[in-house]
This record gives sequence, C-alpha cells and structure tokens, in this order.
Amino acid sequence: QKEVEQNSGPLSVPEGAIASLNCTYSDRGSQSFFWYRQYSGKSPELIMSIYSNGDKEDGRFTAQLNKASQYVSLLIRDSQPSDSATYLCAVYFGNEKLTFGTGTRLTIIP
Amino acid sequence: GAVVSQHPSWVICKSGTSVKIECRSLDFQATTMFWYRQFPKQSLMLMATSNEGSKATYEQGVEKDKFLINHASLTLSTLTVTSAHPEDSSFYICSASSRESNSNQPQHFGDGTRLSIL
Repeated sequence: QKEVEQNSGPLSVPEGAIASLNCTYSDRGSQSFFWYRQYSGKSPELIMSIYSNGDKEDGRFTAQLNKASQYVSLLIRDSQPSDSATYLCAVYFGNEKLTFGTGTRLTIIP
Repeated sequence: GAVVSQHPSWVICKSGTSVKIECRSLDFQATTMFWYRQFPKQSLMLMATSNEGSKATYEQGVEKDKFLINHASLTLSTLTVTSAHPEDSSFYICSASSRESNSNQPQHFGDGTRLSIL
C-alpha cells in the first residue's frame, strides 16, 4: 500500500511568521512530489512541484525534498491570512496516479 | 490554458435518484481523466481512472456498477452515481491530463461537485 502521511493539524501560525508543513511517503522509488492548497469547499490548487533533493523556491513558498529520509516539506514565509487553507501533499508512485496525504489545516492568525 | 470545467457545482436530490456529473477539458485534449471523492475533513480518494475510448479502471472498493464512468471523447467524461443514497453525499472532483501534460502540472482539476442526497 503506497502511503502519504501528513500531520492533520490544525497548525496555527502568526501572520508574518514562517509556516512549516511536513509530509512523509512510503515508496522509496517515488520520483515526483507536489503540494496543493485547498480552500474549504474548493478543489485543490497546485502550488509547488519538486523532483530533486534539496530546496525549490517560488516566491514565498519553498519546497524541500529529502529522498533518503522519504520526506518532503513546504515552507511559507511571511504568512498571510489568505494562506489559511488545507495543504495537501501528493506523490506520484510511478503509475500516473496521484496519491494524496490527508492534508494539514493551516490557520494564519492576524 | 488547461481549464477543466465541472458541472454541476452543487446538486441536492432525493435518495434513489441517479445523478450525472460532467467533466470537460475546455482547451486541451484529455487523454486521461480521474475521478476523486472527498468526504468532510478527509483527503481526496481516487475512485477511478478513465482513458478516452476505454473502460474505466476502478480503485479497490469502488463499485463500478454504482459509479458509472464514460469517457467517450477527448474533452468529456461523465460520472453517474446510480440510485444514490445519503452515504454517497460527498465532494466529487475530476481532473484531466493530456499527452502534453508535463511533470510540473500533471493533472488539471475541475472545481468539484458537492452532492447531497436527502
């Protein structure tokens, strides 16, 4: 069973601080990793994709991948109230299907 | 580009009714479409994968006779929930990929359909 694990939260972060979201996956052979943001009642929206070990930055978002530890994270700098949402980690296990984690609910406190 | 339109966005119906949800790729050819279901405060669970012109492949535990999927063209897939019951109430989301889909954006998601069965 291919699994993607996330802390469900809720995670509360003061406005302007750094929010750190974590995800682990079970299949060491996984190649592609994604972070989606989902607002309540809406469908997921892709924020970041990462394939190589290390960091990938896009604006206020940084994805970090450590394949040896089977760990991927998302950092959100200068958190804004509009960042309050559920963040879903998703992994391609090599069969074209995305497997999603349970999501972490993030609340940015003004 | 790469817009996926899902309709209806919200439907309420009586128990025993069959409900059809449409998923259209507006500006690309969707060779593969995926149907997900999401219960409150849970993650997206893949129900089935459909390739244009082929029978859908259902995930374990999903009843293919209850959730009928048709992918007759490269721009349209439908999910029909037959004889829906209150336990089928959920948020249904489709996504689509094409031959040109790249690793940065592997699937394009529709806006979802909120289904409530009374």
